[in-house]
Amino acid sequence: QKEVEQNSGPLSVPEGAIASLNCTYSDRGSQSFFWYRQYSGKSPELIMSIYSNGDKEDGRFTAQLNKASQYVSLLIRDSQPSDSATYLCAVPGDSGAGSYQLTFGKGTKLSVIP
Amino acid sequence: DGGITQSPKYLFRKEGQNVTLSCEQNLNHDAMYWYRQDPGQGLRLIYYSQIVNDFQKGDIAEGYSVSREKKESFPLTVTSAQKNPTAFYLCASTKTSGGYNEQFFGPGTRLTVL
Repeated sequence: QKEVEQNSGPLSVPEGAIASLNCTYSDRGSQSFFWYRQYSGKSPELIMSIYSNGDKEDGRFTAQLNKASQYVSLLIRDSQPSDSATYLCAVPGDSGAGSYQLTFGKGTKLSVIP
Repeated sequence: DGGITQSPKYLFRKEGQNVTLSCEQNLNHDAMYWYRQDPGQGLRLIYYSQIVNDFQKGDIAEGYSVSREKKESFPLTVTSAQKNPTAFYLCASTKTSGGYNEQFFGPGTRLTVL
């Protein structure tokens, strides 16, 4: 059973600062990683996918993957109050019949203080 | 517009009743999933289906049933055997070609037992 660990938070950052969210995973064979944003009372929204070591940037968001250390992080630059949400990390499930499943972490709650 | 729809948005169930949650997608995705989310908790997989007329139990399938008669539709029935069904139910789908596992979510159904 794959495990995905996230600090539950809450993580509080001032507006305009960089928010850093971290996720560790148990399976060294994982090849793809996803970050979802979930506003309170809403469904998760995919915001970043990363498949290879290094950084991937999309606007104010940067995903960083380090397979050797088995962690993936999400940086949010110039944090805005609208970024306040719970961020879920997800990795693929086991290979075979369940290869298209995802295992989700419990999420980190981010609060951006104006 | 392509997407995933879930209905109803809110559902109230009396003790001993079966209720069915609808999930429809027009993304031409092969795989569909049902998750349950409890307050402050992560996503737990109930059932998934990778092709029509086939589905597999997830981690918490007891008290739930599904069908997959059409590619676009994956309804979930919460039976009276599910002792604590009050939760937020999320349907998701993914393509199974191209080697990627990106899942996209519907808006969710919030079920409350009266």
